[in-house]
Amino acid sequence: EVQLVESGGGLVQPGRSLRLSCAASGFTFNEYAMHWVRQAPGKGLEWVSGISWSSGDIDYADSVKGRFTISRDNAKNSLYLQMNSLRAEDTAFYYCAKDSQGGLGVAEFDYWGQGTLVSVSS
Amino acid sequence: DIQMTQSPSSLSASVGDRVTITCRASQSISTYLNWYQQKPGKAPKLLIYGASSLQSGVPSRFSGSGSGSDFTLTISSLQPEDFATYYCQQSYSSPWTFGQGTKVEIQ
Repeated sequence: EVQLVESGGGLVQPGRSLRLSCAASGFTFNEYAMHWVRQAPGKGLEWVSGISWSSGDIDYADSVKGRFTISRDNAKNSLYLQMNSLRAEDTAFYYCAKDSQGGLGVAEFDYWGQGTLVSVSS
Repeated sequence: DIQMTQSPSSLSASVGDRVTITCRASQSISTYLNWYQQKPGKAPKLLIYGASSLQSGVPSRFSGSGSGSDFTLTISSLQPEDFATYYCQQSYSSPWTFGQGTKVEIQ
């Protein structure tokens, strides 16, 4: 059974940093691309960032480019999102999502974690 | 960026009804279109990929169609567990964008 478990969310002040983690199990992690997708409370879904199986291809939404960094550790079956210079508009549930393929060419999110809430407020 | 527009934004229906949700892309995306279901407090779940392929384990009452810029998600006979919000998402080009969602409520 595929399982994705996010952690690291919480309340943080504007301008500060936070690092999210996603622990994966139930599939061969190093064969698939992974993504972060966020959802502000009561709002729709927004793709944030994606990373290919080898970390050779990385992509970001314009809204987070230069502030967020995605990474993965295939030896630990883990995905990460380093979030710097956080803003109030970054407040959202952050979901880790598995891609159906190894590259970033076709983003089909076939499994999702339960999400972790990031609240940015003073 | 490719804009995805769903209609309607919400609908009320009864158990057993046939329900149709439409998604329109701001440019042609071939059949690079996915549909997700999200229940309150839960993560989204992939229902349909490639516009018309049913994800493993998804009931056959769900179906998808369309190509180019116009797409449809159909639930042939609405069940109590289908009351949720549905999102389309284009997988044609980055940034990968979603529709605003369609909330299916009990009539």
